[in-house]
Amino acid sequence: DGGITQSPKYLFRKEGQNVTLSCEQNLNHDAMYWYRQDPGQGLRLIYYSQIVNDFQKGDIAEGYSVSREKKESFPLTVTSAQKNPTAFYLCASSIQGAVGNQPQHFGDGTRLSIL
Amino acid sequence: GESVGLHLPTLSVQEGDNSIINCAYSNSASDYFIWYKQESGKGPQFIIDIRSNMDKRQGQRVTVLLNKTVKHLSLQIAATQPGDSAVYFCAENRGSTLGRLYFGRGTQLTVWP
Repeated sequence: DGGITQSPKYLFRKEGQNVTLSCEQNLNHDAMYWYRQDPGQGLRLIYYSQIVNDFQKGDIAEGYSVSREKKESFPLTVTSAQKNPTAFYLCASSIQGAVGNQPQHFGDGTRLSIL
Repeated sequence: GESVGLHLPTLSVQEGDNSIINCAYSNSASDYFIWYKQESGKGPQFIIDIRSNMDKRQGQRVTVLLNKTVKHLSLQIAATQPGDSAVYFCAENRGSTLGRLYFGRGTQLTVWP
């Protein structure tokens, strides 16, 4: 089935450690997104990418980094500079191009906690 | 300030009743709106979207209404079922054609048997 796969489902980070969250999609979507969700809050955009080898900062990019070397993959690294990384991280993808705005489709998230 | 918000953080309804979830937006440049359903521990699931050239759109048991005059969006769920219990988010594009969406805080819908 086509969809978005995020792994791992749960992740623990030690102080000073960088961790990488995986996001893979087989929907042939051009655009991919990373969001952070805190309890009782909406989704806040970390980074997004409209095309391979290009990405833009969202509203809360500090302490995070991404890469987009393949269309299917958009990994997110939570660096040690992110002092409050505990959250639910969601990856999404959407069709881009001349068709105008289209829905984003989400994975089932990775829950990151500090040890 | 500009925001995508919700009038009610929680909504409780009895099974079989209709539910109405509201959303206010303040960015007049927004021309694309979308509703998502999020169950506990899962990612948001697309329900329905609407563009600003429409004021109503229907799906299966759901209807989205858009009132651009007062910048108000609503999601109506007919014959609400226990499986509809979830957090519902509205999102807007704030005029962006780059695919960016801006999300509200969400409304927790609880359906009583």
